[in-house]
Amino acid sequence: GEDVEQSLFLSVREGDSSVINCTYTDSSSTYLYWYKQEPGAGLQLLTYIFSNMDMKQDQRLTVLLNKKDKHLSLRIADTQTGDSAIYFCAEIPDAGGTSYGKLTFGQGTILTVHP
Amino acid sequence: DAEITQSPRHKITETGRQVTLACHQTWNHNNMFWYRQDLGHGLRLIHYSYGVHDTNKGEVSDGYSVSRSNTEDLPLTLESAASSQTSVYFCASSRTSGATDTQYFGPGTRLTVL
Repeated sequence: GEDVEQSLFLSVREGDSSVINCTYTDSSSTYLYWYKQEPGAGLQLLTYIFSNMDMKQDQRLTVLLNKKDKHLSLRIADTQTGDSAIYFCAEIPDAGGTSYGKLTFGQGTILTVHP
Repeated sequence: DAEITQSPRHKITETGRQVTLACHQTWNHNNMFWYRQDLGHGLRLIHYSYGVHDTNKGEVSDGYSVSRSNTEDLPLTLESAASSQTSVYFCASSRTSGATDTQYFGPGTRLTVL
């Protein structure tokens, strides 16, 4: 079945790196996503990675994918107080089948950045 | 600018009442989705639509219904509200079902059922 797991809380100091982890169970996942939710707002797509990639970098964000262990991580370099938000990992379990276009989300990780 | 809006942003209702949450997008997207967000569960899919007159059940569809009479709107109806339906509801839309087509999310509706 489809299951995406994240730890609920992460607290870091401003300027440090943050690493948010996610595990998934569906081996047929083709795309994996990171969304950010700021307080009182909807979700915003941060980045995504195709399953045939190991790493993707986009400015301060680095996504690492370990397909063998079904583990996805999001690293935020030089974390700022404005990065405080909830971060969701999500997958499309089977992009060409019955899950067409439907996202399965993890529980979300609440990132708190201290000055 | 194109956007996706939800109304109301906050709603308090009583158990047993029928409630309808509105979702409107101006991107002319084919796909629209309704999710509920609860602490410890992330977002769970309630219903979704791939086009006009198309509706499908998601993971947690019991007690909810949707209809798609035009491209822009996908209202979500709670037939008889229950306290377990107290949650934050998000609507989303995407142009196609392609995996790289971003889902755009509305700002959410906070619903409290007393």
